[in-house]
Amino acid sequence: EVVMTQSPVTLSVSPGETATLSCRASQSVSTDLAWYQQKPGQSPRLLFHGASTRATGTPPRFSASGSGTEFTLTIASLQSEDFAVYYCQQYMIWPFITFGQGTRLEIK
Amino acid sequence: EVQLVESGGGLAQPGSSLRLRCAASGFSFDDYAMHWVRQAPGRGLEWVAGISWSGNTVGYVDSVKGRFTISRDSAKNSLFLQMDSLRAEDTAFYYCAKDGVGWSNWFDRWGQGTLVTVSS
Repeated sequence: EVVMTQSPVTLSVSPGETATLSCRASQSVSTDLAWYQQKPGQSPRLLFHGASTRATGTPPRFSASGSGTEFTLTIASLQSEDFAVYYCQQYMIWPFITFGQGTRLEIK
Repeated sequence: EVQLVESGGGLAQPGSSLRLRCAASGFSFDDYAMHWVRQAPGRGLEWVAGISWSGNTVGYVDSVKGRFTISRDSAKNSLFLQMDSLRAEDTAFYYCAKDGVGWSNWFDRWGQGTLVTVSS
């Protein structure tokens, strides 16, 4: 099983600033990594796949990068609607699909 | 517009069964793999099961193997999850998720979820 570890667990950032979220895989997943955003009471929403390919509707202030075992999600000029929980997910090996435990992005 | 609507959740006793359904619309159902992902209240996401567009290939997380069965019915544009021998640890919101590109194993659309509570 590929274990996905996200850090930090909680990130406190002020609106207008930049947030950087990390995701580490226990073994290489190449670029088979997706990022999701989940707001309270809502279903997850796809932000990126292929480690850095922006999904339809993902604002340009969101960017993602990485390959192998280290991945980053960056959110610039944070807006109120960006405060949520973010999950990474690896999908390199079927059927061993795994998610990270999530990073809660909260308003400072 | 893509819509995924789950149903069938509820309260179940340990050891009993439930059958979840996901009604899909707004896309060519037969062209995409489909998945179930669950989330225990206040916890993270866990992929549960997936099925290829043809239905010929299925996969499960280890914790549900032998107890859950994923299936699909193209005539009804529906995805199912038969859940047998339910355990307390199966308590969660269960989301139906559409595969992103045929069979890529990332999920570009999610349903609203249906809550399964396993308790005596």
